[in-house]
Amino acid sequence: GENVEQHPSTLSVQEGDSAVIKCTYSDSASNYFPWYKQELGKGPQLIIDIRSNVGEKKDQRIAVTLNKTAKHFSLHITETQPEDSAVYFCAASEILGYKLSFGAGTTVTVRA
Amino acid sequence: ETGVTQSPTHLIKTRGQQVTLRCSSQSGHNTVSWYQQALGQGPQFIFQYYREEENGRGNFPPRFSGLQFPNYSSELNVNALELDDSALYLCASSLTSGGGGEQFFGPGTRLTVL
Repeated sequence: GENVEQHPSTLSVQEGDSAVIKCTYSDSASNYFPWYKQELGKGPQLIIDIRSNVGEKKDQRIAVTLNKTAKHFSLHITETQPEDSAVYFCAASEILGYKLSFGAGTTVTVRA
Repeated sequence: ETGVTQSPTHLIKTRGQQVTLRCSSQSGHNTVSWYQQALGQGPQFIFQYYREEENGRGNFPPRFSGLQFPNYSSELNVNALELDDSALYLCASSLTSGGGGEQFFGPGTRLTVL
């Protein structure tokens, strides 16, 4: 099955700086790569996703890049704000909406 | 539009007991997936239900079972509870129509097995 590894496990950044989280996956059949944000006491919330036919996608301060050859993808958050503090998960699946395999998560803390 | 809801919020059981967790899918969604999230870990796929049938299963034993009802709500049942079953159980709904759709997660049910 799919194995997703995520680094770092914790990340502390100064407000206004950038944060980068990296993930690798093992199954070359994976085609869908979402990123989720989970706040305390809540379920994961989709913040951005990318499909295998796209190398990069951006949505305001958030961007994701995908390198299918190397089997890795990354989340970039620019101009971080205190409300960006949360646990972020990367995930991968062969089919959108089916059997997501998640990384172990990155706890991001934005220092004011 | 109503989001995904789960009940109960918290639950405490003892080893060997049985538990039923409930999920109401987001309005318009016809597919429900269940995930187990152990403390400090990412969610792990248990199974998915589509048109009231199990549509794929992760690496979980048969004592984890489920149901989906005609209104697309779902139940997760766990028999013979073990200490390692203590986790946050997440339900995610999506619209499947000739292909998958984005999964929207509920807040989860925190299960503690003593």
